[in-house]
Amino acid sequence: ETGVTQTPRHLVMGMTNKKSLKCEQHLGHNAMYWYKQSAKKPLELMFVYNFKEQTENNSVPSRFSPECPNSSHLFLHLHTLQPEDSALYLCASSQGGTYDSYEQYFGPGTRLTVT
Amino acid sequence: DQQVKQNSPSLSVQEGRISILNCDYTNSMFDYFLWYKKYPAEGPTFLISISSIKDKNEDGRFTVFLNKSAKHLSLHIVPSQPGDSAVYFCAASAGSNYQLIWGAGTKLIIKP
Repeated sequence: ETGVTQTPRHLVMGMTNKKSLKCEQHLGHNAMYWYKQSAKKPLELMFVYNFKEQTENNSVPSRFSPECPNSSHLFLHLHTLQPEDSALYLCASSQGGTYDSYEQYFGPGTRLTVT
Repeated sequence: DQQVKQNSPSLSVQEGRISILNCDYTNSMFDYFLWYKKYPAEGPTFLISISSIKDKNEDGRFTVFLNKSAKHLSLHIVPSQPGDSAVYFCAASAGSNYQLIWGAGTKLIIKP
């Protein structure tokens, strides 16, 4: 148990569906991240939020839409996805802010399959 | 272009022996390096880290070595145990930016 939870753990959706992934951290951290992990590839950073403000968007297609209502919660809204978006989506948190803290704590991930 | 490379997709080691996982990087601005371990169906978990001002950091069975001139770091696990079987990721960060750049991972298999 890392203090970061993600729901759902598995999701199968059609290309015309709209769904959302949820992440919650209980660590009092200020920074939260969405990553995509495809098989045998490095983790790809998608979005970064620091103190609820989005500080990074790594050229992610608009069919992925993040939302960070507070420092403890992070959502990833999905719509009109493509089969190549099938992957493991990981949420992470870190102290962020003014701390030089690089350690990130990960949730278990959501295994997404787009049919 | 990958800034952090783990060139061995997999490594098989006998239980009780030393496991050595390698990582190379290209960005000389990286000043902090981390190793993470990942089991199937779980997120990565932090294992050990090293700052660029050091060349070695030890924590129990795990030691990380950093060779800045070669832009190379390695993780040594000794003795290797069956529970060490997992995918190991190397990650790096530059300056006070708290974002991490990741390698593709090495799958370590410990044979009984």
